Amino acid sequence: DAGVIQSPRHEVTEMGQEVTLRCKPISGHDYLFWYRQTMMRGLELLIYFNNNVPIDDSGMPEDRFSAKMPNASFSTLKIQPSEPRDSAVYFCASSLGAGLYGYTFGSGTRLTVV
Amino acid sequence: AQSVTQLDSQVPVFEEAPVELRCNYSSSVSVYLFWYVQYPNQGLQLLLKYLSGSTLVKGINGFEAEFNKSQTSFHLRKPSVHISDTAEYFCAVSDQGGNEKLTFGTGTRLTIIP
Repeated sequence: DAGVIQSPRHEVTEMGQEVTLRCKPISGHDYLFWYRQTMMRGLELLIYFNNNVPIDDSGMPEDRFSAKMPNASFSTLKIQPSEPRDSAVYFCASSLGAGLYGYTFGSGTRLTVV
Repeated sequence: AQSVTQLDSQVPVFEEAPVELRCNYSSSVSVYLFWYVQYPNQGLQLLLKYLSGSTLVKGINGFEAEFNKSQTSFHLRKPSVHISDTAEYFCAVSDQGGNEKLTFGTGTRLTIIP
């Protein structure tokens, strides 16, 4: 298995532009998590899905952020409009059920908003 | 709800010396415990996990951790570190009651001094 695949690896965009981050989880994993990592705040859980259904989005910073999982093999995290404070590394992770198996993380997308 | 405390944000160690990275957790129920490693510019990778049974758990790259229920700790150890162990290490916990979310600590940056 190729693991959790995220694209793009790096994204530089101007303030106000729409940004879409993509994630392909490991086949058969029924949980998908989106995290944000910054020096100041560490790892923050933004949202997670179970069987493509959003379960907890309490970590989504504000309405500018949205996430979807249209099928078991694809998820997107969208920021519209983007702001400089959104600059961070965004990780996607998938799991069979984190309590017992832990997560498998992707390599992340480094987002820079200028 | 659970919480995880990693008391040391940075740990410098000389090459070939032993190291211990500390992790304490808080939970009202029985837990599963994990250590993850993050190498520069990469995602988090599972190092080892404690589910049940023997309190001494062995992981990849020569690391091991010991679960101590009375002290609510899960410290990570390695008898002799290498330059390649330079990374950030995260402790994480989930409860055994089916909660699929992992709660992560703030991380410990391990720096190996040649």
